[in-house]
Amino acid sequence: DGGITQSPKYLFRKEGQNVTLSCEQNLNHDAMYWYRQDPGQGLRLIYYSQIVNDFQKGDIAEGYSVSREKKESFPLTVTSAQKNPTAFYLCASTQGDYNSPLHFGNGTRLTVT
Amino acid sequence: AQSVTQLDSQVPVFEEAPVELRCNYSSSVSVYLFWYVQYPNQGLQLLLKYLSGSTLVKGINGFEAEFNKSQTSFHLRKPSVHISDTAEYFCAALKAAGNKLTFGGGTRVLVKP
Repeated sequence: DGGITQSPKYLFRKEGQNVTLSCEQNLNHDAMYWYRQDPGQGLRLIYYSQIVNDFQKGDIAEGYSVSREKKESFPLTVTSAQKNPTAFYLCASTQGDYNSPLHFGNGTRLTVT
Repeated sequence: AQSVTQLDSQVPVFEEAPVELRCNYSSSVSVYLFWYVQYPNQGLQLLLKYLSGSTLVKGINGFEAEFNKSQTSFHLRKPSVHISDTAEYFCAALKAAGNKLTFGGGTRVLVKP
């Protein structure tokens, strides 16, 4: 079955450490997205990539970095510069045109203490 | 800037009763509108979408939504809810020719027996 795999499901880190969240898709989708979800704020876009080796900042990119070296993979690094990193992170992909809905992974819950 | 407002953060409802979740958007250009559902600790799934044509859109699980351009609304309805409809629901908008979805803050539906 095709889909998006995010790992791990739960992640705990100490403040000041960088951490990388994995996102892999086997849907052959061109575009991939990272969203952050906080209670009552909906989903906010961190970064997105419409093609391999290219990505753009979303609305809240500060303190995050990404890479898109392969079509299937779009890892997100939460750096120590992110002031409030504890959140639920969702990865999504789409074929890229407006007719195609976003396909989401099941998320990674990151807790930084 | 485009924004999406979900007017109710929580909606308690009894099983087999109807439910309406309100969504308003602001945009000076044409938009495409979506409703997604999120079950606990999972990613989002598409319920329905409005691209053009008939303003009444039917989706999965018995949900439907009506696009009202004059009121810039896209309210979601279900005539009779089940316990399994307990979830969080997100309205989202995409500007025509755009590539980034803007999400509302979400509405948590709790179906009581």
